[in-house]
Amino acid sequence: AQKVTQAQTEISVVEKEDVTLDCVYETRDTTYYLFWYKQPPSGELVFLIRRNSFDEQNEISGRYSWNFQKSTSSFNFTITASQVVDSAVYFCALRSLNTPLVFGKGTRLSVIA
Amino acid sequence: DSGVTQTPKHLITATGQRVTLRCSPRSGDLSVYWYQQSLDQGLQFLIHYYNGEERAKGNILERFSAQQFPDLHSELNLSSLELGDSALYFCASSGSRDREVSGANVLTFGAGSRLTVL
Repeated sequence: AQKVTQAQTEISVVEKEDVTLDCVYETRDTTYYLFWYKQPPSGELVFLIRRNSFDEQNEISGRYSWNFQKSTSSFNFTITASQVVDSAVYFCALRSLNTPLVFGKGTRLSVIA
Repeated sequence: DSGVTQTPKHLITATGQRVTLRCSPRSGDLSVYWYQQSLDQGLQFLIHYYNGEERAKGNILERFSAQQFPDLHSELNLSSLELGDSALYFCASSGSRDREVSGANVLTFGAGSRLTVL
């Protein structure tokens, strides 16, 4: 069975601090896809990134970066120089062949000015 | 605007009642998914339709049913409502059948329908 664990339930940081959100996944499939979604206070789910299991290159997009390590089954998300607008719940998710998208429980990030 | 439209945005009803949530996918997307988000269970997959056919079922209660119509919009019917059914119900859509099989599709979510059962 597919499983995603986000051990950090809530994180609070002061603006401009860097913060890393942890994600550990479990799957028996060799081909799979990992995702991060953001849910701001307004409630919608916004797609941030997708990685496939064969691409372990780290990715950077502005202040966001992702570290994918198959050896530890982790797909961590770092926000550099956090801003108040980054306050949201962040979900890590996993999907593979003919399976539904499975979400972790989410990490609530509060960035304090 | 994600392109996925869900109505109604908010719904308040009583226990024992029945409600219908509606979802219009992004233009061109053939797949529709329903998810339930509650405080205790998190985001739970309910059901997936592809081009009118049911493709996968998750933890969907027997009191709940869904369908996807020829114009690709979908409805989620919730009946004999209980207090515990209060939740945010999301619809998502995706396209590309090949990516669907492999799991590569990105799901685009609607804004959700917040159901409160009193």
